[in-house]
Amino acid sequence: QKEVEQDPGPLSVPEGAIVSLNCTYSNSAFQYFMWYRQYSRKGPELLMYTYSSGNKEDGRFTAQVDKSSKYISLFIRDSQPSDSATYLCATETGANNLFFGTGTRLTVIP
Amino acid sequence: EAGVAQSPRYKIIEKRQSVAFWCNPISGHATLYWYQQILGQGPKLLIQFQNNGVVDDSQLPKDRFSAERLKGVDSTLKIQPAKLEDSAVYLCASSSLRNTEAFFGQGTRLTVV
Repeated sequence: QKEVEQDPGPLSVPEGAIVSLNCTYSNSAFQYFMWYRQYSRKGPELLMYTYSSGNKEDGRFTAQVDKSSKYISLFIRDSQPSDSATYLCATETGANNLFFGTGTRLTVIP
Repeated sequence: EAGVAQSPRYKIIEKRQSVAFWCNPISGHATLYWYQQILGQGPKLLIQFQNNGVVDDSQLPKDRFSAERLKGVDSTLKIQPAKLEDSAVYLCASSSLRNTEAFFGQGTRLTVV
């Protein structure tokens, strides 16, 4: 079983739509949860970073963690064509050992 | 603040040849990672350094891959001999000890033919 499971998509939505991206993880020791955005031919860049369960909001982005169900979500409101990228969820225990999902490829259509 | 620097950006080699990648992390970052990202997949950790010591190399194919981080700053990753399945993007990332957020370089795209 992989440490982190993520639906690879691809996912296409019209501009302005709300996007929901999800991951599940298997190790209850994971304490830190991250979402990275990766544009084509670029390295991943950190988008959201949360510790333990709860919600975190940053502009149009909301990260949600439910440790009881081992479920991680990223919501994008009012999606823009510039949001088109691959979104990677990642988790770690606090020992600086990142585990990534496979990434979900998102296309926002103008 | 300068980001993580990697070189070269692209490399094409024949199978059984050797290749080396270089990474310069963000200044002051003690932790350095090398990841392999195969097309359509998420990054897979190959090796993690803290300063110049190896923390985790459990997924590094040690019969052909090697990495070092002399003086706890720059790092090199070497593949010898390369196989076709090594074609991937090799990403370097770094983080500080106090903050577990990892920052990535742009990667080196390796094609083995």
